[in-house]
Amino acid sequence: AQSVTQLDSHVSVSEGTPVLLRCNYSSSYSPSLFWYVQHPNKGLQLLLKYTSAATLVKGINGFEAEFKKSETSFHLTKPSAHMSDAAEYFCVVRTGNTGKLIFGQGTTLQVKP
Amino acid sequence: DVKVTQSSRYLVKRTGEKVFLECVQDMDHENMFWYRQDPGLGLRLIYFSYDVKMKEKGDIPEGYSVSREKKERFSLILESASTNQTSMYLCASRSPSGGYEQYFGPGTRLTVT
Repeated sequence: AQSVTQLDSHVSVSEGTPVLLRCNYSSSYSPSLFWYVQHPNKGLQLLLKYTSAATLVKGINGFEAEFKKSETSFHLTKPSAHMSDAAEYFCVVRTGNTGKLIFGQGTTLQVKP
Repeated sequence: DVKVTQSSRYLVKRTGEKVFLECVQDMDHENMFWYRQDPGLGLRLIYFSYDVKMKEKGDIPEGYSVSREKKERFSLILESASTNQTSMYLCASRSPSGGYEQYFGPGTRLTVT
């Protein structure tokens, strides 16, 4: 069975410092993995996706994530946080060929000035 | 750009009322999904539809039904609203010929009193 675990429910960083949001997944086959962002009172926006091509995936707004099969991880990073990055982030894994997605519990990113 | 719209951003209903949540997408996507989002639980799938007049139960279908009479429109129905259905409801769509990513609407925050 597929599952995804976000290791931190809340992360706080200062503006200009690096961001690391951690995600571990479980999948019985080669997974498709995603990161979505949700700003307050908004829908979810796709940040980036991994679909078995390059293991380092670049997304929008300077975010990137690295797929590490040996560690079953797909951590999201950004070199320098901006105030506008404050939001909730979801790590997501695809289940089978149905197109269904399984969402992590979410990580709230706080960016302090 | 894919656009997914939901009929209401905020909705307040009384216990026992029948509630309709409407979702429309403009990209001719075959697949559509309804989720509810609750703090600390991420997104949970209520129902999804592969195509017109087709529907499948998700992980938490109890108390809900859906209707898909036209390709662009997917409705979520609460037959008799209860207070435990107070939540954020998110609609999404996807094209099977594309990647597995889903495109989300802005959400409807439903309060049942």
